Amino acid sequence: QKEVEQDPGPLSVPEGAIVSLNCTYSNSAFQYFMWYRQYSRKGPELLMYTYSSGNKEDGRFTAQVDKSSKYISLFIRDSQPSDSATYLCAMSEIQGAQKLVFGQGTRLTINP
Amino acid sequence: DSGVTQTPKHLITATGQRVTLRCSPRSGDLSVYWYQQSLDQGLQFLIQYYNGEERAKGNILERFSAQQFPDLHSELNLSSLELGDSALYFCASSFSGVLTDTQYFGPGTRLTVL
Repeated sequence: QKEVEQDPGPLSVPEGAIVSLNCTYSNSAFQYFMWYRQYSRKGPELLMYTYSSGNKEDGRFTAQVDKSSKYISLFIRDSQPSDSATYLCAMSEIQGAQKLVFGQGTRLTINP
Repeated sequence: DSGVTQTPKHLITATGQRVTLRCSPRSGDLSVYWYQQSLDQGLQFLIQYYNGEERAKGNILERFSAQQFPDLHSELNLSSLELGDSALYFCASSFSGVLTDTQYFGPGTRLTVL
């Protein structure tokens, strides 16, 4: 079983919909949680990061971490066609070096 | 554009061969990371360097090695290549290599082993 599980999709929604992307993890030592966006034929780019539990909002994006359930989410409000990409969750332990463990990525398409 | 450059963009080679992938970090960044992205394994951390020194190791095979040079560029050497090594290889860089530093990814090198 992988340390981080993420439904690969694909997920297809109409423009303007609220999108929910999720990851579960098994390592309780993970404390730092990130979401990356990867457009086709490009490298991943950091969208948001959250330390420990709680919510974080940045414009149309909201990241949630529930450490008790080992579950993290990314919500996209008022989704746009330009949000079409693969979204990867990533996480890391606090101690030691910066070793990120990534989910498989969810491919998202927003239809105009 | 992240500011991280990787060469070559594409590489096609045969099993048993050796290749070198090159990465130049963003200006001012001291830490370099290498990742492998494949369809079945997803994006996996291989190794991190900071200012020329190895800082962290992930799922890097013994056939693979890397180094960071005094000018901070890095090279990933892959030897005795197997079909399963076909993947996208990404380099990322960050300023200090600590946990809260943002990693900026390059465009990747697509390796095909025939």
